[in-house]
Amino acid sequence: DADVTQTPRNRITKTGKRIMLECSQTKGHDRMYWYRQDPGLGLQLIYYSFDVKDINKGEISDGYSVSRQAQAKFSLSLESAIPNQTALYFCATSDPQGADTQYFGPGTRLTVL
Amino acid sequence: SQKIEQNSEALNIQEGKTATLTCNYTNYSPAYLQWYRQDPGRGPVFLLLIRENEKEKRKERLKVTFDTTLKQSLFHITASQPADSATYLCALSGGGADGLTFGKGTHLIIQP
Repeated sequence: DADVTQTPRNRITKTGKRIMLECSQTKGHDRMYWYRQDPGLGLQLIYYSFDVKDINKGEISDGYSVSRQAQAKFSLSLESAIPNQTALYFCATSDPQGADTQYFGPGTRLTVL
Repeated sequence: SQKIEQNSEALNIQEGKTATLTCNYTNYSPAYLQWYRQDPGRGPVFLLLIRENEKEKRKERLKVTFDTTLKQSLFHITASQPADSATYLCALSGGGADGLTFGKGTHLIIQP
């Protein structure tokens, strides 16, 4: 079984809808991250969490919110989706032993019409 | 602001040759530099890590160099194979608790 899983894998929604992307991990890592990837722009950090009580904004957090329900679960919400949030979204975990090597999930392809 | 530059154009290499990818950075003093591989529509996969006090790291057909004076890392794939075709991402970490900064990646194509 995959160490980092994301649901759904694909989602098409309409402008103004609320949507939640979910991430679960079995690696036992405390640190979890949400990134978005757009063609030609690389990975951009949305939010990150070092434990259940510690949530931090990344470089592009506007329009997004997160919830860390447990060590193993980290959800990303779009309260009112807009078309420029169409992107590939990745969840990742990291080993806290210094180097922050990231372990990524398979991604969620989100389309906002 | 911190900036990481990777060649945005695709790199075409003939099978069997050595592929060399470049990562340059500015306004950054990274404690670690990492390389990841990403296949289309999939999450990046960690390949190699090199620390600021290391000059070179090897793993099977992969080799990474790190020159903190030039602010550059080179990533080499020897005896390249078509299966090595992918996008390769460079990522920097300051060693703190705020994650990695990723470059945009270089698309590598190994032609049979």
